[in-house]
Amino acid sequence: GDSVTQTEGLVTLTEGLPVMLNCTYQTIYSNPFLFWYVHYLNESPRLLLKSSTDNKRTEHQGFHATLHKSSSSFHLQKSSAQLSDSALYYCALSDNYGGSGNKLIFGTGTLLSVKP
Amino acid sequence: GPKVLQIPSHQIIDMGQMVTLNCDPVSNHLYFYWYKQILGQQMEFLVNFYNGKVMEKSKLFKDQFSVERPDGSYFTLKIQPTALEDSAVYFCASSLVRGRDSDYTFGSGTRLLVI
Repeated sequence: GDSVTQTEGLVTLTEGLPVMLNCTYQTIYSNPFLFWYVHYLNESPRLLLKSSTDNKRTEHQGFHATLHKSSSSFHLQKSSAQLSDSALYYCALSDNYGGSGNKLIFGTGTLLSVKP
Repeated sequence: GPKVLQIPSHQIIDMGQMVTLNCDPVSNHLYFYWYKQILGQQMEFLVNFYNGKVMEKSKLFKDQFSVERPDGSYFTLKIQPTALEDSAVYFCASSLVRGRDSDYTFGSGTRLLVI
């Protein structure tokens, strides 16, 4: 079945350094939809960005990601980490083959900890 | 922005008892979902619900689970009877459309502990 892999459970960075959180996926579908959700402590997970267009960079709130179907990847990047970026980040794949309404397949999440 | 509210935020219950988790979805959303997250693991799909019916459920959605949304009130997940392995955080979500690109609005979760 479909799956999403996030290899890093914890990423610790110093403020100002670049961020890259890895995400790869497996799906039989030729046109996948990929998402990044951010989950701050004691809040709800919320959508950060999404894409289904191959090789096109999508950006939101300083973060960006590019879907690469050739490598089945959708890595999340930011040029300069801020303290407020500390949160749990989930990569997710949309699964909707049966027309019954989609569901999201989540990775295990990467906890980003940004230190001064 | 619009929010999904989940009540209660925490619940401790004795094994074998019934529990109802309540979700107040975004008012104009039409599709509703429950996800389960065991500590240290990823969020996993349980069920989606539309127009008063379960559209799809996963193998995690055991026979002891049921969902309903009577007359536009709370979207509820009921577990009867509860088991120790039901201890998890349960996230409710809603979306306006059902397409693969639809945006979910999540609640902040109900932390259920079965003892």
